[in-house]
Amino acid sequence: DTGVSQDPRHKITKRGQNVTFRCDPISEHNRLYWYRQTLGQGPEFLTYFQNEAQLEKSRLLSDRFSAERPKGSFSTLEIQRTEQGDSAMYLCASSPGTARKNTIYFGEGSWLTVV
Amino acid sequence: KQEVTQIPAALSVPEGENLVLNCSFTDSAIYNLQWFRQDPGKGLTSLLLIQSSQREQTSGRLNASLDKSSGRSTLYIAASQPGDSATYLCAVSPPETSGSRLTFGEGTQLTVNP
Repeated sequence: DTGVSQDPRHKITKRGQNVTFRCDPISEHNRLYWYRQTLGQGPEFLTYFQNEAQLEKSRLLSDRFSAERPKGSFSTLEIQRTEQGDSAMYLCASSPGTARKNTIYFGEGSWLTVV
Repeated sequence: KQEVTQIPAALSVPEGENLVLNCSFTDSAIYNLQWFRQDPGKGLTSLLLIQSSQREQTSGRLNASLDKSSGRSTLYIAASQPGDSATYLCAVSPPETSGSRLTFGEGTQLTVNP
């Protein structure tokens, strides 16, 4: 399968613990995105990378959140000192990033439950 | 701030019916508009992408139109099937990001009854 891969798919953690999600984009895509989705809502933009450079961060991405894409390939999203309000599905997506072909491809998401 | 609204929030139709899903956005300065499908507990699958200079795109039984000046898009599904049951989301991106940073609507939950 050459789609966007996310790991783990499900994570249950206690409040105050740190969690990290990994995303492997489609190999030739240079843009990578993180979104967050809660039940009944559309996804909300968190951050975006062009290769290894983090070009934009949403105000939703508080100081407890950090994302990296060290070699311009896979990315990690870390949440420190988790809170119950962090419970959501975290979606990773990638795109070719060219003007004509910028269809965005999403992974299956990583579900986070903070108890 | 861009806001995207989808109407209706939920729709239930018998199999074989043609249907229209609506999407409106408040800021007409967009780079593109995309329609996605989401099955329960799953990620999103891109259905159609319309560049701001285009008026419509077609893929199989799906047709999406874009009226940028009025801030509206419609997704037309012909001859609906039970397998079309899912949540349909539209999203727009601002021109300064060249297609990045999508703003999504809340989706229309479609149920097609056999």
